[in-house]
Amino acid sequence: EPEVTQTPSHQVTQMGQEVILRCVPISNHLYFYWYRQILGQKVEFLVSFYNNEISEKSEIFDDQFSVERPDGSNFTLKIRSTKLEDSAMYFCASRPGTFTYPDTQYFGPGTRLTVL
Amino acid sequence: AQRVTQPEKLLSVFKGAPVELKCNYSYSGSPELFWYVQYSRQRLQLLLRHISRESIKGFTADLNKGETSFHLKKPFAQEEDSAMYYCALTGGYGNKLVFGAGTILRVKS
Repeated sequence: EPEVTQTPSHQVTQMGQEVILRCVPISNHLYFYWYRQILGQKVEFLVSFYNNEISEKSEIFDDQFSVERPDGSNFTLKIRSTKLEDSAMYFCASRPGTFTYPDTQYFGPGTRLTVL
Repeated sequence: AQRVTQPEKLLSVFKGAPVELKCNYSYSGSPELFWYVQYSRQRLQLLLRHISRESIKGFTADLNKGETSFHLKKPFAQEEDSAMYYCALTGGYGNKLVFGAGTILRVKS
């Protein structure tokens, strides 16, 4: 069964550095999402992406964050200048976008980002 | 405001006992409700959604719009049910999921 994949599984970076988290959604899915979960807290929505543009973003998703689908298969989340509070598990998700409402979101295994 | 509340951080039951994981929501429109499960060291995966009205692994959940609840139930817990369970809702453009804080279910033998 196809799965969403994410790389790396764990990323350690210094405060102020840029990081790029990578995701390969399930092929033929049309909607893509990033969520994050700070340790001990709930899973929070960051951004949704459809038709090569952001369709919705949360307050967390400020100018330090950006998303891109550079080549039709990868879906990336970039954090330009990491802060300590960006340390979290980042989940990518994709969904088919069929006419069945709402079709299911499938999650990747997550990338644990540690900012030192 | 969209909000999902799971009041229990941990629910511990014995094998064979009934299970009820509570979920209440706040949403101004007509949301779609889901239960996601995360087994140890695995990814989040959909357990069930209210629109399907299905039973998965013996679990059921009924949407009660009057009480704004979507509690997850299973009549006889099994050890392999031990996991983190998240209630979530979606509604509106983009179909983002709004999650509750999650409940750890621990089934003891």
